[in-house]
Amino acid sequence: ETGVTQSPTHLIKTRGQQVTLRCSSQSGHNTVSWYQQALGQGPQFIFQYYREEENGRGNFPPRFSGLQFPNYSSELNVNALELDDSALYLCASSLEPSAEPNEQFFGPGTRLTVL
Amino acid sequence: AQKVTQAQTEISVVEKEDVTLDCVYETRDTTYYLFWYKQPPSGELVFLIRRNSFDEQNEISGRYSWNFQKSTSSFNFTITASQVVDSAVYFCALSEKTNAGKSTFGDGTTLTVKP
Repeated sequence: ETGVTQSPTHLIKTRGQQVTLRCSSQSGHNTVSWYQQALGQGPQFIFQYYREEENGRGNFPPRFSGLQFPNYSSELNVNALELDDSALYLCASSLEPSAEPNEQFFGPGTRLTVL
Repeated sequence: AQKVTQAQTEISVVEKEDVTLDCVYETRDTTYYLFWYKQPPSGELVFLIRRNSFDEQNEISGRYSWNFQKSTSSFNFTITASQVVDSAVYFCALSEKTNAGKSTFGDGTTLTVKP
């Protein structure tokens, strides 16, 4: 069984640029959630994708957008990068939202630094 | 809105001591799930335990145990006979109904276990 993978591991961008982060879900999982974890804080929910549609969004501006592909992998896109976007971005996969057991599995994360 | 508070920012213990991590949550939902995750220095969040709002039975799993008290909105986590490998940041999280992918996290407790 393949776990959740994310790429790249680290990324350095400058303010105003755009970035795309990628996530491959665990085998058998069709739901992907993205979280932003700033230094010293807990992960904050950005959005979730289920069956290629956005299924809920946290308190993040529209410049944070995403996609889910037919193979359930997902992308997180951030436009017009700001210094405060520097964080660890975590992807988590799970079974469909109403399924049991209710748990999600996290990838290793992408560390984004905005200069 | 949901909220999770982990009042203990840092805890330091000596190996073999028992340690309890506190978690207090707020939610208006009548059905919800509570989780504990561990985040070692590598960054990947590791699922530890899950409890739903209908089951207040406290359990023990190996060296881990938890105390869920709905009356006080608390979900505390205890590690018995701590080991150096337990050193990590521990997060308490709350999710709506059966969707773990939309979780609200606390800001974590950094546990250091000294030999």
